[in-house]
Amino acid sequence: NAGVTQTPKFQVLKTGQSMTLQCAQDMNHEYMSWYRQDPGMGLRLIHYSVGAGITDQGEVPNGYNVSRSTTEDFPLRLLSAAPSQTSVYFCASSYLGQYSSGANVLTFGAGSRLTVL
Amino acid sequence: AQSVTQLGSHVSVSEGALVLLRCNYSSSVPPYLFWYVQYPNQGLQLLLKYTSAATLVKGINGFEAEFKKSETSFHLTKPSAHMSDAAEYFCAVRRGPGTYKYIFGTGTRLKVLA
Repeated sequence: NAGVTQTPKFQVLKTGQSMTLQCAQDMNHEYMSWYRQDPGMGLRLIHYSVGAGITDQGEVPNGYNVSRSTTEDFPLRLLSAAPSQTSVYFCASSYLGQYSSGANVLTFGAGSRLTVL
Repeated sequence: AQSVTQLGSHVSVSEGALVLLRCNYSSSVPPYLFWYVQYPNQGLQLLLKYTSAATLVKGINGFEAEFKKSETSFHLTKPSAHMSDAAEYFCAVRRGPGTYKYIFGTGTRLKVLA
C-alpha cells in the first residue's frame, strides 16, 4: 500500500515556465487536497476535491489549476510560475465515509519542493 | 471564520522534561481538532484527534491533548520528552460536518536538549 505518492520530489523552474505536480493515492479516498508550506505560515490550502469531476478553491488558489478526472489522481498545475510560488507542496487525501463524524484523518504525501528562479 | 493559533514557533525542552505545545482555536461551532507531526523532510502524520467523544485524547508516542471549550484550547503534552520527539508540530481544525477544509496553525518546532 503506497499511500499518497507525489512527484517530483524536487523541481527548479524559471519564471514563466509551467509544470504539473503529480499526486496519486491508492486508498480509494474521495477527498484530495493540495497545500503549500512556507516558513512561519504553516500549511495553506490551495485546492481540494471531493470526487472525480469536483474541485473547489482553498485559501490561496491564485496561480494554480487542478482537475480530478479519476479518484486516484489530483494533479496541481502551475501555468506561469512566479518566485512567490517557491514552496514545499503537499498533497493530502482522506475518506469521506466518516464524513458525518467530521473526523476524517488526512494522509499526506512526502512533499514536492519547488524553486522558481 | 475558524482559525488556529499556535503560541511559540520554537520550543526547547530538556530530555525527560514535560512537553507543552499550545494551540487555541476559534470556531463558531464545536470543531474537530487534530495534532500532526512533521519529521524533517517528511510529510505530516497524525498524532491525535478530538471528535467530541472525550475531552482528553491520547495519541501515539505518549502524546495527549485536552480539549477545553471554556478556554478554546487544545494543548499538546507529553510527560517526558525524548530526543526522537524533535520535530515540527501542527494543530489543525475542521469546523465539523458540512465543511471540507482543514485549517492548520503555523507550527511549533520542538527541540529536545540532551
